[in-house]
Amino acid sequence: SQTIHQWPATLVQPVGSPLSLECTVEGTSNPNLYWYRQAAGRGLQLLFYSVGIGQISSEVPQNLSASRPQDRQFILSSKKLLLSDSGFYLCAWSVTRGYYGYTFGSGTRLTVV
Amino acid sequence: QQPVQSPQAVILREGEDAVINCSSSKALYSVHWYRQKHGEAPVFLMILLKGGEQKGHDKISASFNEKKQQSSLYLTASQLSYSGTYFCGTGLHTGTASKLTFGTGTRLQVTL
Repeated sequence: SQTIHQWPATLVQPVGSPLSLECTVEGTSNPNLYWYRQAAGRGLQLLFYSVGIGQISSEVPQNLSASRPQDRQFILSSKKLLLSDSGFYLCAWSVTRGYYGYTFGSGTRLTVV
Repeated sequence: QQPVQSPQAVILREGEDAVINCSSSKALYSVHWYRQKHGEAPVFLMILLKGGEQKGHDKISASFNEKKQQSSLYLTASQLSYSGTYFCGTGLHTGTASKLTFGTGTRLQVTL
């Protein structure tokens, strides 16, 4: 069966510090991968998605970046965090072909102080 | 453009029914529905594709009217476990990246 792992679960970082969040998927190959952010009490905003290794599409301008160094690994990074980067970050995967739902990771709650 | 959900919040007593609506200003190919419990990740409920189909399992069902660019989620005989925030996610493309734009969310609380 397929599983998705996301870590860390919580993170408190000072303004201006770097960020690296990691997500890995097991039990499937060539998944579509996504990074979403959810501000407190709000909906989900798509940040990045990837259809393959090294293929990253950005949805909103920001100081975040994403990379996919391996087929089932998706990394969200920042060189310098802003207060506005605080939120609940969710990684998700879906199959490439056909129409199926997303499976989300357990999320990372990031607080920038 | 983010789809708009209504109502924003609803409180039900156990056993009552509810309808959650999702409207988009753009033509849709697919609509997903998810439920999120507080502090947890969203969980997939169902997907509806262009064609005006209706789906359901157990006491939760949904319809999709692509002409009106709307979808509705029906919760019948609600249970305490139905509590959470419901999101619709709309898909605009038929390509390999089925990226979704999520709605504003509907907070549902079921009480005894």
